[in-house]
Amino acid sequence: SQWGEENLQALSIQEGEDVTMNCSYKTYTTVVHWYRQDSGRGPALIILIRSNEREKRSGRLRATLDTSSQSSSLSITAAQCEDTAVYFCATDPSSGQKLVFGQGTILKVYL
Amino acid sequence: EAAVTQSPRNKVAVTGGKVTLSCNQTNNHNNMYWYRQDTGHGLRLIHYSYGAGSTEKGDIPDGYKASRPSQENFSLILELATPSQTSVYFCASGDRGGAGDTQYFGPGTRLLVL
Repeated sequence: SQWGEENLQALSIQEGEDVTMNCSYKTYTTVVHWYRQDSGRGPALIILIRSNEREKRSGRLRATLDTSSQSSSLSITAAQCEDTAVYFCATDPSSGQKLVFGQGTILKVYL
Repeated sequence: EAAVTQSPRNKVAVTGGKVTLSCNQTNNHNNMYWYRQDTGHGLRLIHYSYGAGSTEKGDIPDGYKASRPSQENFSLILELATPSQTSVYFCASGDRGGAGDTQYFGPGTRLLVL
């Protein structure tokens, strides 16, 4: 999982497999953002889950949020090679759009 | 789609020199941000702004200044560049404050300080 002092995580899976990335956070937040960063580009939001939602789906993406354990997860179903990227979780402790990003998870999907 | 551009895309600077990184957004967003990205540290907030004329310190502001002369433009200034400031810098814009709003990122500027 990613956060705080943890090192950057890396996952390598075969196309068609499911994958889950985890994120734990230290301070209160009302929302968890998940961003994706392709090589050589800036991050882009892919899914956002609020504290009153336990689960959120968008296509092959599924995000969960457990406020009691201060953790979130992002799952990708039937991963494809084009899902290869770095995935970041981010929280908003100040509720003022100052996001705090996790270390990121490098996901590589191979044929 | 939201548009954030950065210039230059690549920059080589000498230690002690002045470096200015520029960011422009055409989204009419009030908020703008400067981050740096280093391996193992994710994205770290340097400075941000809530509108023209305002700048606020982020989590790692030392050695950096920011300027927001207009709604569209936000600059990051390194008055005396040091090798430790070698990094990839991202600018982002976002609309009104409040949890849940998206930040839109530019393509990044690679800075090498020799």
